[in-house]
Amino acid sequence: DVKVTQSSRYLVKRTGEKVFLECVQDMDHENMFWYRQDPGLGLRLIYFSYDVKMKEKGDIPEGYSVSREKKERFSLILESASTNQTSMYLCAITQRGLAKNIQYFGAGTRLSVL
Amino acid sequence: GENVGLHLPTLSVQEGDNSIINCAYSNSASDYFIWYKQESGKGPQFIIDIRSNMDKRQGQRVTVLLNKTVKHLSLQIAATQPGDSAVYFCAERETQGGSEKLVFGKGTKLTVNP
Repeated sequence: DVKVTQSSRYLVKRTGEKVFLECVQDMDHENMFWYRQDPGLGLRLIYFSYDVKMKEKGDIPEGYSVSREKKERFSLILESASTNQTSMYLCAITQRGLAKNIQYFGAGTRLSVL
Repeated sequence: GENVGLHLPTLSVQEGDNSIINCAYSNSASDYFIWYKQESGKGPQFIIDIRSNMDKRQGQRVTVLLNKTVKHLSLQIAATQPGDSAVYFCAERETQGGSEKLVFGKGTKLTVNP
């Protein structure tokens, strides 16, 4: 089974804080993704990475950055959290081979910025 | 712009009935589609996929139908059970600048009444 682990299920932070959301996978997959999910807007892609130290912007990268120093870990960083970044954050990975386009998701981190 | 959307935001069915969840897409170049199920408090789970060279694909109690003429995708769930209550998303694969990403619909909430 593919396992995607997000380090926190719930986080509460204050405006202006630096926030780290961690995602870890155990299957040596190259491709990792960060989404946010908001009511009425669905899943929106923030950043993704195809390999170590590689990153590409998704549809809504503003206010976020990412780090991929090791293949198994993909971090989403909010440099200065704002209330409009209150959301559910989902990490996903894709497998190799025939199933390479199926994205497998973690359980999500619900972030509240006060 | 092109997008992946849903005909209905909510669907309520009786236990044991069949459910049909619909999805319209507008990118005629899309060649791969996925259905996901998201239960409350969890990340999306892969259900079934279909490539554009197919019209129909069956899984366990689920069938996906693809009508490329009208750019319509549907998910059929046979003998719906209370455990099927969830939000269901379709997604299409887009290729941009040599990289691939999934574009998600906003979801349909399925409620199964006992």
